[in-house]
Amino acid sequence: EVELLQSGGGLVQPGGSLRLSCAASGFIFSNYAMTWVRQAPGKGLEWVSSISGSGRIYYADSVKGRFTISRDNSKNTVSLQMDTLRADDTAVYYCAKETCGTDCYFSSDSWGPGTLVSVS
Amino acid sequence: DIQMTQSPFSVSASVGDSVTITCRASQGIGRWLAWYQQKPGKAPRLLIYKTSTLQSGVPPRFSGSGSGTEFTLTISSLQPEDFATYFCQQGESLPQTFGGGTKVEI
Repeated sequence: EVELLQSGGGLVQPGGSLRLSCAASGFIFSNYAMTWVRQAPGKGLEWVSSISGSGRIYYADSVKGRFTISRDNSKNTVSLQMDTLRADDTAVYYCAKETCGTDCYFSSDSWGPGTLVSVS
Repeated sequence: DIQMTQSPFSVSASVGDSVTITCRASQGIGRWLAWYQQKPGKAPRLLIYKTSTLQSGVPPRFSGSGSGTEFTLTISSLQPEDFATYFCQQGESLPQTFGGGTKVEI
């Protein structure tokens, strides 16, 4: 069974930094791309960043230059380093496993429980 | 970026009813369309991908159709556990983009 356990998050002042982590189990981690999606309070879903199985990286324009996604295939973890945080980064952040494989992004079939990041 | 527009914003229904939700893409996305269900305080759950492929474990009362720019999710014979918010998502190209959501309520 696929499981994604998230850690990190919390309250931070504008301009501050946070690191989110996601520990995966139940599948061959290196064979799948991973994605971070966020949801502001009461709002819809917003794609943040994705990383392929081999480390190819993609960012939303809203976070480019401020957030850094990484993965450690030896530890089955994906992380999101968030710097220069702004109030509009406040959201629940979800890590998710992509459905199709190492470098394709058409849907996410497993999601972590989410972690709240509050910038205030 | 590809814009995804969902309608209706909300729908009131009863157990046993059939509900259809529409999602329109601002440009053609082939069949790269997914549907998710989200309940309050929970992560989204993948229901359907590639327009009509049911994710493992999802009941067959959920079905999807469409291609190009117009897609639908149909829930036949609503069950109590189906009252939730539903999102579409295009997977044709990054950035992935989502519809605004449709709340299915009693």
